[in-house]
Amino acid sequence: AQSVTQLDSQVPVFEEAPVELRCNYSSSVSVYLFWYVQYPNQGLQLLLKYLSGSTLVKGINGFEAEFNKSQTSFHLRKPSVHISDTAEYFCAVSERNAGNMLTFGGGTRLMVKP
Amino acid sequence: KAGVTQTPRYLIKTRGQQVTLSCSPISGHRSVSWYQQTPGQGLQFLFEYFSETQRNKGNFPGRFSGRQFSNSRSEMNVSTLELGDSALYLCASSMTGRGAEAFFGQGTRLTVV
Repeated sequence: AQSVTQLDSQVPVFEEAPVELRCNYSSSVSVYLFWYVQYPNQGLQLLLKYLSGSTLVKGINGFEAEFNKSQTSFHLRKPSVHISDTAEYFCAVSERNAGNMLTFGGGTRLMVKP
Repeated sequence: KAGVTQTPRYLIKTRGQQVTLSCSPISGHRSVSWYQQTPGQGLQFLFEYFSETQRNKGNFPGRFSGRQFSNSRSEMNVSTLELGDSALYLCASSMTGRGAEAFFGQGTRLTVV
């Protein structure tokens, strides 16, 4: 079984400041890693994913994440946030040999202030 | 290309009733998964269907069931509704490859009174 921990439930940040949303996972098998964003009253949208290869992954809207196998982390970063980035962000994992079942972290609410 | 469509968007049911939610995946996607989202428990996996077969199942009671049709459309059913079943139910569809992106619908907001 796997688990995902998002260390911060809320992250307030001023517009144009950098931000990092932290994610740690635990699994006894190899996993794929994902970050999703959810805007109010919406479903989830994929920001980026790590399957293999380069540990630095670039996604949509200027987001990137770095996979660190030794620390079992997959932190999400953006160098300069906008008001429109205010949303809930979810880190998720799926086992490499278990279909498309996703295990989600508890979510981090990013609040961008003007 | 149409996205994942979930119907209805909102639903109010009485405790003890049953409910059926529908999900139409993106054309060509054969994997459909269901998730329950609540403020207290977050996002929890219910089940995944692939080619009309349940491929994975989460840790939910037997009151929660699902099925997938030959056109990949999926339904989930909750019988004997409880107040705690109030949640946003999200459906996601994916291509067949491992690590494939899950495309989510906007969800069905179920309120049990």
